[in-house]
Amino acid sequence: NAGVTQTPKFRVLKTGQSMTLLCAQDMNHEYMYWYRQDPGMGLRLIHYSVGEGTTAKGEVPDGYNVSRLKKQNFLLGLESAAPSQTSVYFCASSLGRQGPAYFGPGTRLTVT
Amino acid sequence: GESVGLHLPTLSVQEGDNSIINCAYSNSASDYFIWYKQESGKGPQFIIDIRSNMDKRQGQRVTVLLNKTVKHLSLQIAATQPGDSAVYFCAENKNSGYALNFGKGTSLLVTP
Repeated sequence: NAGVTQTPKFRVLKTGQSMTLLCAQDMNHEYMYWYRQDPGMGLRLIHYSVGEGTTAKGEVPDGYNVSRLKKQNFLLGLESAAPSQTSVYFCASSLGRQGPAYFGPGTRLTVT
Repeated sequence: GESVGLHLPTLSVQEGDNSIINCAYSNSASDYFIWYKQESGKGPQFIIDIRSNMDKRQGQRVTVLLNKTVKHLSLQIAATQPGDSAVYFCAENKNSGYALNFGKGTSLLVTP
């Protein structure tokens, strides 16, 4: 039982490049989330999904897109990376609406 | 918007002492609260949660207290150990919400 895994662990992009971050969970959780964490700040919600085939915007969705084609996977895409997207990205999943969310190890992204 | 905040950004305690980390919340509709521990370079790790119909919940060496009257949440760690050194986040959710709203975190440093 690996829990929540994220790939890649690190990535450096140039401004304007695109990339996809992959999140996978093996706990059969319905809910999945993408957060970003910047220095001195808490985690801010980018997008979330309440089930396979559904996605919704969070607090800071601009510049990101997501897809949940399979229940166990939640993809975060950056179509045209900007330096402001330099951050650590965390994926999480939970069984339902209220209950612990379990986090992955994070992806450290730098956009130059 | 409504926010979850922490009283102190840093807390230093001696090994063996008890630690208390405080958190204030402003959303009176919040009915689920959770504490996370984040070690350097890792994802947040679930510690303990509490629902609004409870005032206190205990885990292994940790206790969460909820005072709904003054909208205050605290995490007590008994016999603090060096391995407890980390950043601690409180988070909340209201019944109509789909995701956790995080505070900015308190850094706990345990000295020998």
